[in-house]
Amino acid sequence: QKEVEQDPGPLSVPEGAIVSLNCTYSNSAFQYFMWYRQYSRKGPELLMYTYSSGNKEDGRFTAQVDKSSKYISLFIRDSQPSDSATYLCAMLSGDSSYKLIFGSGTRLLVRP
Amino acid sequence: GAVVSQHPSWVICKSGTSVKIECRSLDFQATTMFWYRQFPKQSLMLMATSNEGSKATYEQGVEKDKFLINHASLTLSTLTVTSAHPEDSSFYICSARDLGRGGGNTIYFGEGSWLTVV
Repeated sequence: QKEVEQDPGPLSVPEGAIVSLNCTYSNSAFQYFMWYRQYSRKGPELLMYTYSSGNKEDGRFTAQVDKSSKYISLFIRDSQPSDSATYLCAMLSGDSSYKLIFGSGTRLLVRP
Repeated sequence: GAVVSQHPSWVICKSGTSVKIECRSLDFQATTMFWYRQFPKQSLMLMATSNEGSKATYEQGVEKDKFLINHASLTLSTLTVTSAHPEDSSFYICSARDLGRGGGNTIYFGEGSWLTVV
């Protein structure tokens, strides 16, 4: 079993829809949770960073972490065609290695 | 957000030659940088952790003599692919840990470097 599970998609939605992207994980030591967006042939871009459980909002993006369920989500409101990309969840345990553990990424397509 | 710059963005080299890729943190100091490799439609594969002023730590299965990593300053790490072969063709991405944000747990990525060995 992978440490972080993420549905690879693709997820296809119409423009303006609310998108929900999710990851589950098995390692209870994870404390820091990130979402990255990666466009084709580009490096990942940090979208959201969350420490421990709770919600965090930034513009059209909301990140949720539920440590009791080992489940994290990224919501995108009013989705745009420019949001079409691969979304990667990533986690850190807080140990000294600072190695990110990634999900496999979910491909999102927002149709005009 | 913080900026991590990679250079070159793409490079073509002949089989048997060496190629160097630079990773710079432009607006923060990074004691720790990471090098990844990514194959098409796959997630990132960590190759090594680069610590400023010390030897890099390589992941299992990564040849340290083939992928030379140097982290000579707090803003620069380099990856040199030595004696490159076509199977080394890939997308190489670096990331850097920003000490000043998120308790030092915020990690930013470069734009990536496409290597094609012919």
